[in-house]
Amino acid sequence: DAGITQSPRYKITETGRQVTLMCHQTWSHSYMFWYRQDLGHGLRLIYYSAAADITDKGEVPDGYVVSRSKTENFPLTLESATRSQTSVYFCASSELGGNYGYTFGSGTRLTVV
Amino acid sequence: GQNIDQPTEMTATEGAIVQINCTYQTSGFNGLFWYQQHAGEAPTFLSYNVLDGLEEKGRFSSFLSRSKGYSYLLLKELQMKDSASYLCAAMDSNYQLIWGAGTKLIIKP
Repeated sequence: DAGITQSPRYKITETGRQVTLMCHQTWSHSYMFWYRQDLGHGLRLIYYSAAADITDKGEVPDGYVVSRSKTENFPLTLESATRSQTSVYFCASSELGGNYGYTFGSGTRLTVV
Repeated sequence: GQNIDQPTEMTATEGAIVQINCTYQTSGFNGLFWYQQHAGEAPTFLSYNVLDGLEEKGRFSSFLSRSKGYSYLLLKELQMKDSASYLCAAMDSNYQLIWGAGTKLIIKP
């Protein structure tokens, strides 16, 4: 199916564990983004990528790692999860200057206990 | 710095009209977007304005004034399903979206 998919949909992990959130898009969009959304903060950009093998930090990158070896995939890894990383994570994709802005995946609700 | 301001919460009555305002300051400007986000779901695209004026799309309209750094989303004939958060986002000179915190719209019968 065409679109942008995230997995898992829900995840509970323990403090200190490494966890990877997956994002896959089928449109061959150049740009991909990772956001976290918390009450009172709106969407905050973690990392983004302009193309395969090109990534850059956003507003809140600490504690996260990304990679983009293929255009369609953009995984986000929490190297050592902390409780403050409990959040809803959204992946998005777009073409440069697209009039539709970004298209979002369904989100991953991550709880760190 | 870059900043988007919109009200935190608004309440309106079913069948009525509501206007959600947004002011923005960005480094360069490549358009203003409105997204709708229902609770527990992803944001979905509603509208895009890059030129001054009003864009109408069914019950929803969006207005932009570039000189004032101002936009609004107008929702007519409100329905209960319009209860959601409405996110304003401005695209800067690097084609990055700068997001507001969202306006939670509560519709009462």
